[in-house]
Amino acid sequence: NAGVTQTPKFQVLKTGQSMTLQCAQDMNHNSMYWYRQDPGMGLRLIYYSASEGTTDKGEVPNGYNVSRLNKREFSLRLESAAPSQTSVYFCASSAPGTYNEQFFGPGTRLTVL
Amino acid sequence: AQSVTQPDIHITVSEGASLELRCNYSYGATPYLFWYVQSPGQGLQLLLKYFSGDTLVQGIKGFEAEFKRSQSSFNLRKPSVHWSDAAEYFCAVGLMEYGNKLVFGAGTILRVKS
Repeated sequence: NAGVTQTPKFQVLKTGQSMTLQCAQDMNHNSMYWYRQDPGMGLRLIYYSASEGTTDKGEVPNGYNVSRLNKREFSLRLESAAPSQTSVYFCASSAPGTYNEQFFGPGTRLTVL
Repeated sequence: AQSVTQPDIHITVSEGASLELRCNYSYGATPYLFWYVQSPGQGLQLLLKYFSGDTLVQGIKGFEAEFKRSQSSFNLRKPSVHWSDAAEYFCAVGLMEYGNKLVFGAGTILRVKS
């Protein structure tokens, strides 16, 4: 089992460019999440998907969109990147009945110039 | 507002010394609680969790944590720190009322002196 995988690992964008961060899990989990991590702020939830076909905003959704493509995959899209979106992005997943114990991917380090 | 507080941004301990990392939360109900560890450049790994029952829980790598309802705390401890424990540690809190979400503290960076 690969667990939670994310692509790419690193990305540099110019202001205004768009990109999609990919996330996949092979644990048959229902719920998936996107977080951003900034120094001194912990992890903040951007969007989550409680189950296939549903998505909801988290704490910091502005400037992002998500797609739950199927049960395995959950992508995060930046339509017009801004320097404030420079961050490390983590995807996570959890199974029902586990009190939301989340498993994390290795992260994507994004720099917006 | 609901929050999770890790009061110590950085902690430095000597190898072999004991460790306690603090975590407090401000939810009214009994939450479910987690500690995660993040090594440099890596994702987050679950150390331990508390849902109910015995308030002292054991985790991986020799870590333990104690839930104290009266203090709204879930502090992480290790009797003897190893150099490989140097990492960032995050406390996280979830509530059934808030669905499938966790709220994370800001993290504590642990440095280990040899």
